[in-house]
Amino acid sequence: GAGVSQSPSNKVTEKGKDVELRCDPISGHTALYWYRQSLGQGLEFLIYFQGNSAPDKSGLPSDRFSAERTGGSVSTLTIQRTQQEDSAVYLCASRLGDLSHNEQFFGPGTRLTVL
Amino acid sequence: AQSVTQLGSHVSVSEGALVLLRCNYSSSVPPYLFWYVQYPNQGLQLLLKYTTGATLVKGINGFEAEFKKSETSFHLTKPSAHMSDAAEYFCAVSDQGRTSYDKVIFGPGTSLSVIP
Repeated sequence: GAGVSQSPSNKVTEKGKDVELRCDPISGHTALYWYRQSLGQGLEFLIYFQGNSAPDKSGLPSDRFSAERTGGSVSTLTIQRTQQEDSAVYLCASRLGDLSHNEQFFGPGTRLTVL
Repeated sequence: AQSVTQLGSHVSVSEGALVLLRCNYSSSVPPYLFWYVQYPNQGLQLLLKYTTGATLVKGINGFEAEFKKSETSFHLTKPSAHMSDAAEYFCAVSDQGRTSYDKVIFGPGTSLSVIP
């Protein structure tokens, strides 16, 4: 596709369940980011992948959060044992990775609601 | 560490009035600077960016921003607000050219309301 896609668009789960959020970046983009946006808040950085380098996980809020990127393309953000405070919109962005093209392209987000 | 501040979490302007959204950054080197817009229930969309060269940058939808190194600012302006400009606006910064590995830092956002 032409843009970044994310699935599902909405996810409602019960407290304690695990969830997986998917991000399909723009083809050829080597950098991929996950952010969390709570209601009325700014973007909270979670994790960053760049090519084959080790990911920057410094933004993950707890060990319940993990992410992987397979084959340098699709990424999955996993939240284990979800808590109500995990409710937020999770945004994925990709970037070409070339120094002269540093803007990020964002997906529409996944709205996660933990009951 | 880099940081971005946006003065005013909420700004209201009348339709046709000047829009001014403020952004200041802290960085040891001149960074790349961005403004993104987020419409309700959508992802972020790039409005404009500054990398090098001309310090006055023009973007989409009539917006422009000026990089002022001495003031470490990158304020966003539009001469005449339109109802469709109502949205959340985010300023962002990343290191300029030091490495392809960079973590983009976003400001807290400014919600713009346009009053008819």
